[in-house]
Amino acid sequence: GNSVTQMEGPVTLSEEAFLTINCTYTATGYPSLFWYVQYPGEGLQLLLKATKADDKGSNKGFEATYRKETTSFHLEKGSVQVSDSAVYFCALSSNQAGTALIFGKGTTLSVSS
Amino acid sequence: EPEVTQTPSHQVTQMGQEVILRCVPISNHLYFYWYRQILGQKVEFLVSFYNNEISEKSEIFDDQFSVERPDGSNFTLKIRSTKLEDSAMYFCASRISGRAEAGELFFGEGSRLTVL
Repeated sequence: GNSVTQMEGPVTLSEEAFLTINCTYTATGYPSLFWYVQYPGEGLQLLLKATKADDKGSNKGFEATYRKETTSFHLEKGSVQVSDSAVYFCALSSNQAGTALIFGKGTTLSVSS
Repeated sequence: EPEVTQTPSHQVTQMGQEVILRCVPISNHLYFYWYRQILGQKVEFLVSFYNNEISEKSEIFDDQFSVERPDGSNFTLKIRSTKLEDSAMYFCASRISGRAEAGELFFGEGSRLTVL
């Protein structure tokens, strides 16, 4: 079945450091891929998405590229800020109507000044 | 900005008791979901709901669980007889379209259920 594997956290960085959070997936067909973010005390929010191979999703300085050959969708940001501290979830959906998102475990990012 | 709202934010209950978690999805959305996250584990899909019926459910969503849209706004998750392992954060979500690439899934802030 479909599944998502994320790198274990927590990830602790200093402000302005480079961020990579690895995500790989297993799926039949051609899923859509997502990164969701959960700030403290809030619900999950869509950060970015990519719906086909080689697409790059980007938002708020974060980027992720849909790599079908490596079944990966790694999240990157060139210079993190303290306000980026949150839990990041990689997710996939199989593009069929009504099909739910499958989430990874989540990776906690903590950025210090 | 429209948002998904959930109540209660935290509920503590005794094992064996019934619990109802409530959600108000975004008003023009058509697809509704419940997810849960046990502390330290992944966010798990429970059930999806469209056109007043369940469209998909996971293995977790057994006979102890039920969902209902009793009126035009609320979407509820009922756990008939809670177990210790039901302790988790429960997230409601809604989407205007069923196709993942067409519509963003909007989540509520979650309801934390603690079963003693």
